[in-house]
Amino acid sequence: QQQVKQSPQSLIVQKGGISIINCAYENTAFDYFPWYQQFPGKGPALLIAIRPDVSEKKEGRFTISFNKSAKQFSLHIMDSQPGDSATYFCAASSTGFQKLVFGTGTRLLVSP
Amino acid sequence: EPEVTQTPSHQVTQMGQEVILRCVPISNHLYFYWYRQILGQKVEFLVSFYNNEISEKSEIFDDQFSVERPDGSNFTLKIRSTKLEDSAMYFCASSTGTGNYGYTFGSGTRLTVV
Repeated sequence: QQQVKQSPQSLIVQKGGISIINCAYENTAFDYFPWYQQFPGKGPALLIAIRPDVSEKKEGRFTISFNKSAKQFSLHIMDSQPGDSATYFCAASSTGFQKLVFGTGTRLLVSP
Repeated sequence: EPEVTQTPSHQVTQMGQEVILRCVPISNHLYFYWYRQILGQKVEFLVSFYNNEISEKSEIFDDQFSVERPDGSNFTLKIRSTKLEDSAMYFCASSTGTGNYGYTFGSGTRLTVV
């Protein structure tokens, strides 16, 4: 019940395209859903996060869509750029400062 | 922008030896964490620390591991009697615990047990 399932495992998108990564959770106590971006040899960096009281949050080219009834949330990267090539992790927490449960990661490659 | 600083960036140790991984969290943060990431796998929670005590730990965090905040700035993870399977990236993180939440992660220490 603590798992967060993430798909796809890897994704190749052309420059300018839309990248979509999906996550699903089971624990209804989760109320904080961040997305992290990780470059090789670096720690995860917070990209964007959402609480379940809203269905969508947008920051620049990055949008989280949240479906509370389906217990799913997704990251959309609009106008994907080669600099977006990284591993993306979804995560969930029952409060923002308790432990994060991470998804398995999606390796995104944006081709020029 | 404030950073979480981890040292060393890479540590190689012999199996059975003890290692101490060091972290300097962001100065006004109150919650501190250790996570690990085995190569190519997901990031896993080890332990959280608040008000000078462990607030939560995972099943991974057994008697082999301990954490300490020896002074007002450092936060350490000690691994006793290291095993080959302890080889991983270890990330320290910190959080204010309020507002927009969100952790800030350090760049990690790559631990290689040989």
